[in-house]
Amino acid sequence: QVQLQESGPGLVKPSETLSLTCTVSGGSTSSYYWNWIRQPAGKGLEWIGRIYTDGRTTYNPSLKSRVTMSVDTSKNQFSLKVTSVTAADTAIYYCARDHPEGAGWEDWGQGTLVTVSS
Amino acid sequence: DIVMTQSPDSLAVSLGERATINCKSSQSISYSSNNKDYLAWYQQKPGQPPKLLIYWASTRASGVPDRFSGSGSGTDFTLTISSLQAEDVAVYYCQQYYSTLSATFGQGTKVEIK
Repeated sequence: QVQLQESGPGLVKPSETLSLTCTVSGGSTSSYYWNWIRQPAGKGLEWIGRIYTDGRTTYNPSLKSRVTMSVDTSKNQFSLKVTSVTAADTAIYYCARDHPEGAGWEDWGQGTLVTVSS
Repeated sequence: DIVMTQSPDSLAVSLGERATINCKSSQSISYSSNNKDYLAWYQQKPGQPPKLLIYWASTRASGVPDRFSGSGSGTDFTLTISSLQAEDVAVYYCQQYYSTLSATFGQGTKVEIK
């Protein structure tokens, strides 16, 4: 079964850029949609966006102006950047792979906590 | 955005009893062309990522016990745990993936043991 692992700085200063990478093992990044989801402590889930193997992206309209995703199939990795962060961006960030039928997200990383603070 | 609203926000059920969680979407999430409802259910335990339980509103994901079942169509959906076990204590979320522009979740329902 494929495994996903998020990595990146756990602390980001306000107004700076949050950068995370998701490394995929036990499978390829080819031919799937790859997603980023976040969850503030004690709160619900928010989909950030997704990227396909060929680089096509779809972003949550509420975050679209600040989000960029990319994929590196040679490294089996995909990445997330969120610019101009504020305390409201503090959350656990998850990466996840679409179910093969495109029906929900079957495989998830364990998540990484990103705190925005000076 | 399609808004997903779950009820109740929390419920306490005795071991072995039935737990029922409802999810309502602000618009239909059914495609008539394929007769499918674009609705998934997830279970999230503390400190863990969500786990996919149900997709297409009623199809159990791989390895999910058959005490979990999903039903509904259009705008109204239900997750049922037929006989609550201790390991089912968690927060449950519904999610629509009908909109390719933005997947959205319900606010979550916390299930506890009475």
